[in-house]
This record gives sequence, C-alpha cells and structure tokens, in this order.
Amino acid sequence: GENVEQHPSTLSVQEGDSAVIKCTYSDSASNYFPWYKQELGKRPQLIIDIRSNVGEKKDQRIAVTLNKTAKHFSLHITETQPEDSAVYFCAASNGEGTYKYIFGTGTRLKVLA
Amino acid sequence: GAVVSQHPSWVICKSGTSVKIECRSLDFQATTMFWYRQFPKQSLMLMATSNEGSKATYEQGVEKDKFLINHASLTLSTLTVTSAHPEDSSFYICSARDSSRTDYGYTFGSGTRLTVV
Repeated sequence: GENVEQHPSTLSVQEGDSAVIKCTYSDSASNYFPWYKQELGKRPQLIIDIRSNVGEKKDQRIAVTLNKTAKHFSLHITETQPEDSAVYFCAASNGEGTYKYIFGTGTRLKVLA
Repeated sequence: GAVVSQHPSWVICKSGTSVKIECRSLDFQATTMFWYRQFPKQSLMLMATSNEGSKATYEQGVEKDKFLINHASLTLSTLTVTSAHPEDSSFYICSARDSSRTDYGYTFGSGTRLTVV
C-alpha cells in the first residue's frame, strides 16, 4: 500500500522568511496530493491541493510543487506570519475506488515573531 | 458548503463500556466517510472506510469487532468503540466527501476526544 514520508518533523522560521515542507510517496498510482493545516485541538483544514497532471499550484503565499518522476511533493509558504504556526500534514490518494488518504507524519511549524 | 458535524466533541467513559461517535454531513450526501485516529503530536491514522449501505473496510491491524462502524444513510456514519479500555483513549476524527463533486477534496469533522478511565 501507499506510504507517505514527511520532513522535517519540526521547523522554526523567523517571521517573513519562507518555509518548505517535503513529502515523498511510494505508490506511483497516487494522483491527488492535498495539504492540511491543523491547529491545536482543531480539525485539519485543507489549504492547497495538487493533481498529478499539474507540476505546480499557487495560492497567494502558499504553493505546492509535484515531481511525479521522483514521487515527491513540497509545500512552500512565503512571507510567513505567526498565524501560520500549526502542524501541517501532506497526504496522497490514488483517486480510485474509495479515494482514501494516506497522511504523512506531520510537520510542526513555528513562526517566530 | 461541505460541513461535517461530529458528536460528541469529547467524552469520558469507564473501562468496559461502549461509546458511540457520530459523523454527519450537514449539507451534502456522502456515500463514503473515513474514520481516523490521532494520538497526541502524531499523524492521522486511517482506521476504516465507511460505505453507505454496506460493510466498512478496515485497515490492517484495526479490530472490526472493537470499532464498529455503521453507515446507514447518506449523511450519517457512526463509530462505536466497544468495551473501551484506557489504551483506546485518543482523538477520533471523521472525514467525508460530497458525492456530487468531481474533485477529491474531503472535509473533516471537528473530532472527538475519548478518554477511558
């Protein structure tokens, strides 16, 4: 089955700097890759996603890149703000059948003011 | 749109008792819902896929007799933790997708924090 690895597990950046979180997946059939932000005690919220037919997607300060050949995808947050501090999870899905997600292990991002 | 309601948000129960958690899609129909378990500072571990009108599909290592899942309607799935023990204490969270949507995006419920004493 699918296995998703995520790095780093923790990340501290100065406010205004960029943050990059990387994920790799094992199943070449995976074709949908969402990123979720989870604040303490709250539900995960979808922040951006990308399909396998696209190499990059951007939404304001957030961007995701996908390298299908290498089977890895990354989340880029520019001009970080203290409110970006949270745990970020990547996930992979093959879109077939039940569309289940397999999540990465999470990255705890801390933006220092 | 795409709101998922989960109830209760927290529950404390005694060892040996059973606890039922509800996951409802409020403004859409969901033929498939997913149940996850999350330990403190850890990732979301998929427990099972809940299929409307049929048996749930459990992930490897998840006891189906321990975690009973019922998806009797297009808007409601329930997870019952039977004969709960302290090691079942965790954050349980469901997710659902609008069956009428063509994209893959899922919405999560607010989660249920279960404490077994």
